[in-house]
Amino acid sequence: DAGVIQSPRHEVTEMGQEVTLRCKPISGHNSLFWYRQTMMRGLELLIYFNNNVPIDDSGMPEDRFSAKMPNASFSTLKIQPSEPRDSAVYFCASKVSAQSSYEQYFGPGTRLTVT
Amino acid sequence: EDKVVQSPLSLVVHEGDTVTLNCSYEVTNFRSLLWYKQEKKAPTFLFMLTSSGIEKKSGRLSSILDKKELFSILNITATQTGDSAIYLCAVLIQGAQKLVFGQGTRLTINP
Repeated sequence: DAGVIQSPRHEVTEMGQEVTLRCKPISGHNSLFWYRQTMMRGLELLIYFNNNVPIDDSGMPEDRFSAKMPNASFSTLKIQPSEPRDSAVYFCASKVSAQSSYEQYFGPGTRLTVT
Repeated sequence: EDKVVQSPLSLVVHEGDTVTLNCSYEVTNFRSLLWYKQEKKAPTFLFMLTSSGIEKKSGRLSSILDKKELFSILNITATQTGDSAIYLCAVLIQGAQKLVFGQGTRLTINP
């Protein structure tokens, strides 16, 4: 079975450019999570969706970040304009949305470098 | 603000040693505590703990939760170089389905 798929795996861009990260959750999983991981702050939840609806975006750093989930099999995280401090590894994770389900399955991550 | 703190942040030991990793938390609505292992890529699930005092075990790894003192430990006995990784502790918030992660402990096992 395919796990969570993220693209691109690596992205290098210049400050001010728009960056779009993509995620395909595991088929049948109705909850999707975007995380950011840095050495300084560890793994932080940015936003999560249940059944394509954003539930909690309190972790989104500022208006430059936006996330969408147009359907059950695809989500994007966009940064516009990007800044060097956005450099991090961005993970997408998915899980079955039932309250009794706890395990999130992580994708391989996108390593973003903003110069 | 919900908070999860791990210690130490970094640990270097020799193969065969036993290590104990710590995780303490302060959250408003605790549901469960989870441990993950992160090697070069994505975190992978190790344990979930919901009840105090019940040890979860998988091979050389074991973990226990103390809900009164608000902490958990992860023990690894007879460590091997393949245990080198970042170990992440996370708390699942009741009703919210979201995980709050600690900073992680970077464990290095030298041969």
